[in-house]
Amino acid sequence: QQQVKQSPQSLIVQKGGISIINCAYENTAFDYFPWYQQFPGKGPALLIAIRPDVSEKKEGRFTISFNKSAKQFSLHIMDSQPGDSATYFCAASKKKEGYSTLTFGKGTMLLVSP
Amino acid sequence: EAQVTQNPRYLITVTGKKLTVTCSQNMNHEYMSWYRQDPGLGLRQIYYSMNVEVTDKGDVPEGYKVSRKEKRNFPLILESPSPNQTSLYFCASQTLGGSKYEQYFGPGTRLTVT
Repeated sequence: QQQVKQSPQSLIVQKGGISIINCAYENTAFDYFPWYQQFPGKGPALLIAIRPDVSEKKEGRFTISFNKSAKQFSLHIMDSQPGDSATYFCAASKKKEGYSTLTFGKGTMLLVSP
Repeated sequence: EAQVTQNPRYLITVTGKKLTVTCSQNMNHEYMSWYRQDPGLGLRQIYYSMNVEVTDKGDVPEGYKVSRKEKRNFPLILESPSPNQTSLYFCASQTLGGSKYEQYFGPGTRLTVT
């Protein structure tokens, strides 16, 4: 059972364009929705995160949009740059006995062409 | 510098030859976890540990062992590796409690089992 579904698997965007990656979840117990960014040869690193009590969070060119009723959230990268080329993972987390469990989507490989 | 380190970074071995991948963190985190990353499957959790001497299975624990004798170290043990364990492995750590659920990932270990 895949608890977090991510699409698309891969994405090519021209420099300056908008990259959009979508995720959907099933478990309403999730209470934290992070996005991780992974460059080739590196481990994933937290990019931006949102809690379900807000509908949008923006940090620089990166924005998470969150739709609680639809159980969907998305990452928007404005003015995409070649340096944004990476694999992006959405995740969902729920607190359990004092710690959080992270459930990851399958990832999206983003290529921003110059 | 706060970091998670893994060794070795690359390993080629043969079926059945026991191996250990080490993981160490210098952030005094209680929670540590191992993931494997495979194309099209994303990040899947193998084992996790909430503290010293406390470990539990993740989603794909078969064929793996872990131990947590010290807070900073969380080695992954493959007692009899098989080719289907060829993968990219990541260790991660996280502080417990509070509202921040960020996991810090190591640089990864690429394992090939022939």
